[in-house]
Amino acid sequence: RKEVEQDPGPFNVPEGATVAFNCTYSNSASQSFFWYRQDCRKEPKLLMSVYSSGNEDGRFTAQLNRASQYISLLIRDSKLSDSATYLCVVIPGSSNTGKLIFGQGTTLQVKP
Amino acid sequence: EPEVTQTPSHQVTQMGQEVILRCVPISNHLYFYWYRQILGQKVEFLVSFYNNEISEKSEIFDDQFSVERPDGSNFTLKIRSTKLEDSAMYFCASSEAPAGVLFGPGTRLTVT
Repeated sequence: RKEVEQDPGPFNVPEGATVAFNCTYSNSASQSFFWYRQDCRKEPKLLMSVYSSGNEDGRFTAQLNRASQYISLLIRDSKLSDSATYLCVVIPGSSNTGKLIFGQGTTLQVKP
Repeated sequence: EPEVTQTPSHQVTQMGQEVILRCVPISNHLYFYWYRQILGQKVEFLVSFYNNEISEKSEIFDDQFSVERPDGSNFTLKIRSTKLEDSAMYFCASSEAPAGVLFGPGTRLTVT
């Protein structure tokens, strides 16, 4: 089983749509969780951390379900500029060095 | 806003040659990392570096790879004898603590 699994998509949605991405992780001892965004041939950029209580940043909402080892990202009112690959990222429980484990990413294409 | 910088942006080398990829992490950061991303694949952890020594490395980071922090600002990745399969985007990253990792723009390495 992969350490971090995501549906690769692509998700093609119209502007203004709400879209949700899911991610599962295999190591129940994983300690920290993030969503990164990656544009084509660019570096990953931190979008938001994910907390057990759920957290929101503008149009973006992240949720963590530790019991199900499941992380989600919800994007409301999609913009053309949201088109990118969204990376689910985990710090495994075995590491205290900041090592990040990446999922393969979910591609989002927002169309006019 | 402070950022991680990397040079060169693109490096072409012949198989068997040595390459050195250079990075300048964010100045007050203490944790440094190298990741790679083969075209079309996920981002993979190579090595983390803290307190002037390697704190963790992956199976990919074999004897052909080494890292160094030769002065107070630079952080380098050396590949001693490049192989075709080393062709990838190499990302340097840094963080204040083992979370909140920020990535540089990457060096695209092409081995011919």
